[in-house]
Amino acid sequence: GAGVSQTPSNKVTEKGKYVELRCDPISGHTALYWYRQSLGQGPEFLIYFQGTGAADDSGLPNDRFFAVRPEGSVSTLKIQRTERGDSAVYLCASSPGDNTEAFFGQGTRLTVV
Amino acid sequence: RKEVEQDPGPFNVPEGATVAFNCTYSNSASQSFFWYRQDCRKEPKLLMSVYSSGNEDGRFTAQLNRASQYISLLIRDSKLSDSATYLCVVNMFLRGGYQKVTFGTGTKLQVIP
Repeated sequence: GAGVSQTPSNKVTEKGKYVELRCDPISGHTALYWYRQSLGQGPEFLIYFQGTGAADDSGLPNDRFFAVRPEGSVSTLKIQRTERGDSAVYLCASSPGDNTEAFFGQGTRLTVV
Repeated sequence: RKEVEQDPGPFNVPEGATVAFNCTYSNSASQSFFWYRQDCRKEPKLLMSVYSSGNEDGRFTAQLNRASQYISLLIRDSKLSDSATYLCVVNMFLRGGYQKVTFGTGTKLQVIP
């Protein structure tokens, strides 16, 4: 497809488990962002990739969260030892990286039970 | 102080009313500005970019005041379909050519019949 694709769309996991969330950006977009959105809140910045490198990971809440983008395209957000407080919608966005708009995927709704 | 601040609302307005939202940003190095719209349980989508000269798109007008570091969105003749959360977005270019996209928490608009 032409848009940003995120999989899975929904993920339910048990507390303490490990999860991976995938983002497939728009082809050719060099910038990729991960955000987390809780109910009633705006998207909260997690990490930004420019190409393969994490240009800004200041939003990652703790060391249980990690993200990679090894080939400068698909990115994976990894959460270890999940906690109930990690439950949220995880949004991925990509942009051409030239100060223009970012395009969002439909998000992965993560529920930790 | 948050990098981008918005009144969360909700703004409850009757159909046909004019409503305005403001958003303030803290970093004077911010370079581009956008309003996004987010419907319930959907991803944010670009509503309009905000230019220094101000811009209008149908019933929507966006303004930027760099001196006071705020942007505004005016919606005229509100429709029921305008009910959504409106997110203020600020782009900054960081050292090294990286950019950071920061969202406000969003302002919720409910248009009432």
